Amino acid sequence: GESVGLHLPTLSVQEGDNSIINCAYSNSASDYFIWYKQESGKGPQFIIDIRSNMDKRQGQRVTVLLNKTVKHLSLQIAATQPGDSAVYFCAENAFIGGAQKLVFGQGTRLTINP
Amino acid sequence: NAGVTQTPKFQVLKTGQSMTLQCAQDMNHEYMSWYRQDPGMGLRLIHYSVGAGITDQGEVPNGYNVSRSTTEDFPLRLLSAAPSQTSVYFCASSYDGLTRSYNEQFFGPGTRLTVL
Repeated sequence: GESVGLHLPTLSVQEGDNSIINCAYSNSASDYFIWYKQESGKGPQFIIDIRSNMDKRQGQRVTVLLNKTVKHLSLQIAATQPGDSAVYFCAENAFIGGAQKLVFGQGTRLTINP
Repeated sequence: NAGVTQTPKFQVLKTGQSMTLQCAQDMNHEYMSWYRQDPGMGLRLIHYSVGAGITDQGEVPNGYNVSRSTTEDFPLRLLSAAPSQTSVYFCASSYDGLTRSYNEQFFGPGTRLTVL
């Protein structure tokens, strides 16, 4: 079945360094891939998405890379700040049975060291 | 706009009790969905709705019922709560779930449910 998984469950980085969070997916039919940030006690918050016909997309301090050949997705956060501490989820969006469905990965907890 | 709201924030139930988790959105979104999040795991889709009067099952629908009588509201019902339903429940909405283009999903703050 469809699954989205993460290579590492936790990641610790120094403040100011760049962070890279990785994700593997299995459904070749997915149209979009999305990264969410979830802070403690809150719902997931959209960070950035990328269409399946793209291989890179940049936002403010964030870049998402998509490698469809190996079904791999990554989120790069530049100049990591304390406010970036959260759990990050990748999700794939597929159009199944006439409607959109999101399949989430396990999540990676990002911790920022001062 | 309040966005997506959920009530209650916390709930404790005994096995066999029933309850309804409320979800409402004021963005005139057609697509609404319910997810559960268990420790160390991502969110899993329970049920979804592409518009008023239309609902369908997601990945883990057993033990849950939904209805969509209005565009704004999408309640989730637990008919007979079980300890396995202890989880955090999130409701989400997006503008449109029927087109192939992705529409950003907005999540509510969640309801933390414990079943004893």
